[in-house]
Amino acid sequence: GAVVSQHPSWVICKSGTSVKIECRSLDFQATTMFWYRQFPKQSLMLMATSNEGSKATYEQGVEKDKFLINHASLTLSTLTVTSAHPEDSSFYICSASPPDSPLHFGNGTRLTVT
Amino acid sequence: DAKTTQPPSMDCAEGRAANLPCNHSTISGNEYVYWYRQIHSQGPQYIIHGLKNNETNEMASLIITEDRKSSTLILPHATLRDTAVYYCIVRVAFGGSNYKLTFGKGTLLTVNP
Repeated sequence: GAVVSQHPSWVICKSGTSVKIECRSLDFQATTMFWYRQFPKQSLMLMATSNEGSKATYEQGVEKDKFLINHASLTLSTLTVTSAHPEDSSFYICSASPPDSPLHFGNGTRLTVT
Repeated sequence: DAKTTQPPSMDCAEGRAANLPCNHSTISGNEYVYWYRQIHSQGPQYIIHGLKNNETNEMASLIITEDRKSSTLILPHATLRDTAVYYCIVRVAFGGSNYKLTFGKGTLLTVNP
């Protein structure tokens, strides 16, 4: 079945630094990928839609300059949290779907900003 | 997208069937019912989806009422590993950059030994 892989699975960084999270579609090409964020005991919230070869589309209230998304190839999208602060600590999850198939999700990245 | 209503939590005994309800009274004719689950600290896992007919796969069965205003996800023999938050989502068919899923609060299913 379709596999979406995220790396790293967890990361700890200091306040003010930037962190990059990778999302790969392992056995299919994805022109579109989606990035979600989940705070403890809450549901997943869509942050942005990553489009291969073009700019990402951000949901209302998500700062595009803080959460940089790059979708440079058909199998890789990256989310960079710039100048991270403790309130950015969260569970970040990406997703993608093969053509005519349900959306599949990565296993998420736990970000802790100290 | 149509909204869904699910109970916040349910309990089930190990080995018994788990029946998870979902109300989606405003569903449109071209909207599918999708079920995902999220085990603690993992990404959501696709379970099953359907339009109007009942569906079954190796994981679960999906029963959709004739008027399509509600559905039930059935895990026929629940195990401890089925303890998770189950999300019922209504969405038009997959495909394209607009195919994004909106998650509600879901149902926390706890399978007890």
